[in-house]
Parts: sequence; structure tokens; C-alpha cells
Amino acid sequence: AIQMTQSPSSLSASVGDRVTITCRTSQGIRNDLSWYQQKPGKAPKLLIYAASSLQSGVPSRFSGSGSGTDFTLTISSLQPEDFATYYCLQDYNYPWTFGQGTKVEIK
Amino acid sequence: QVTLRESGPALVKPTQTLTLTCTFSGFSLSTSRMCVSWIRQPPGKALEWLALIDWDDDKYYSTSLKTRLTISKDTSKNQVVLTMTNVDPVDTATYYCARILRSYSSYNGMDVWGQGTTVTVSS
Repeated sequence: AIQMTQSPSSLSASVGDRVTITCRTSQGIRNDLSWYQQKPGKAPKLLIYAASSLQSGVPSRFSGSGSGTDFTLTISSLQPEDFATYYCLQDYNYPWTFGQGTKVEIK
Repeated sequence: QVTLRESGPALVKPTQTLTLTCTFSGFSLSTSRMCVSWIRQPPGKALEWLALIDWDDDKYYSTSLKTRLTISKDTSKNQVVLTMTNVDPVDTATYYCARILRSYSSYNGMDVWGQGTTVTVSS
């Protein structure tokens, strides 16, 4: 199975900050990666698919980039509602695998 | 409007078989490129992908759970069922189902999720 290394596992940031989360895969996966936001007690929400395609209805401050083995989720200007845990998921081949998550906390 | 809803027992005893049902609306699993997946999340831990079934009845499973999982669909009822045999307390988790659209050569992410159902495995 493809191993996912997501970093950092947590970070503290202030409103307005630029935040970057990375996901590295153990083998190349083209651009077959998506990003999810999860708030406590809620189901995850799709932000980005195919590494860089913004899901409909998601604010443009969220962006994704990368291909092959290295991927990035960027929040250009952190908003109060963005404090959550973020996960990457590879859907290049089965079994699909999630990253371990990045918790974004208020500084 | 696409919606999914998970249902199943809240409490299961060790060694029993767990059956979870995902009832959905707003799409059909007989439509080309439609897929439904199951994902779980133990308390305080990360998401774990479990299984997927597609419009063509192809099925895919987590390697570590493959011998214990069965996924199936009933297109007439708009339901996907996941069964897990021989449950253990480590299977205690919130279980989610989600829809996925397949594009020509890839997937477009899990775009709609159910609210999840919490399952506790305990004697």
C-alpha cells in the first residue's frame, strides 16, 4: 500500500496567516490526491481533488499543488472558520490511504 | 440534492458481525462513474479508508481488513451495505459513507459524506 506522510501533525497560526500543509507519498501517484477539512464532531469536507482542483463552493483562499510524490495544501489567509484538522487522501491505486492529519490551531 | 445516511447498531459484542447500511438519495449507483466508499475514524484518531463499490459492481478493500469486510449494493433501494465479521474493541469508531465520482482516468474526491454512525465494540 502507498504510505502517506503528512506534515506537520499540528500547527499554531493566527488569523490572516498563510498556512502550508504537505503530503508526501511513498511512490508516484500522478495528481491523484484530494484534501479534506474536518471539524470536531463533523464529517470531513472535500476541499481539493486531483491535487489542484477546487471543489465547488470552497473559498478560493484554499489551493492545492503538486504531482508525483509531493503535494501541498495552502490556505492563503487563515480565517477563524479554518481552524480544523486537514487530511490528504491518495486515490491513485487500491487500497486508498489517508494521511495522518494536520490539526490547525489558534495561536 | 445528494445525501447519504449511515445506519447500524450502536453497540456490538466482540466476535459478532457488524452490518452497516448507507442509504443515499440524489444519485443512482447504476449510473456510470458513480461510486460509494466506507471510511472509519476511531475516537481521536485519523481517517481510515475501508472499501469502495462502483457502478459496475467492482469492489475494493483495505488490505488489512480485506478478510473481514464485504461491501454490496442494492440499486433498487439506493443502499450500500458493509459487513465486518469478528469485530474487536479496536473496531470502535465512527463509520462514514461517501460518494465519489469517477472521471475518465481518475476520481474527483469524496464530494458528499454522511454524518457518520458511531459503533462501540464491547462486551
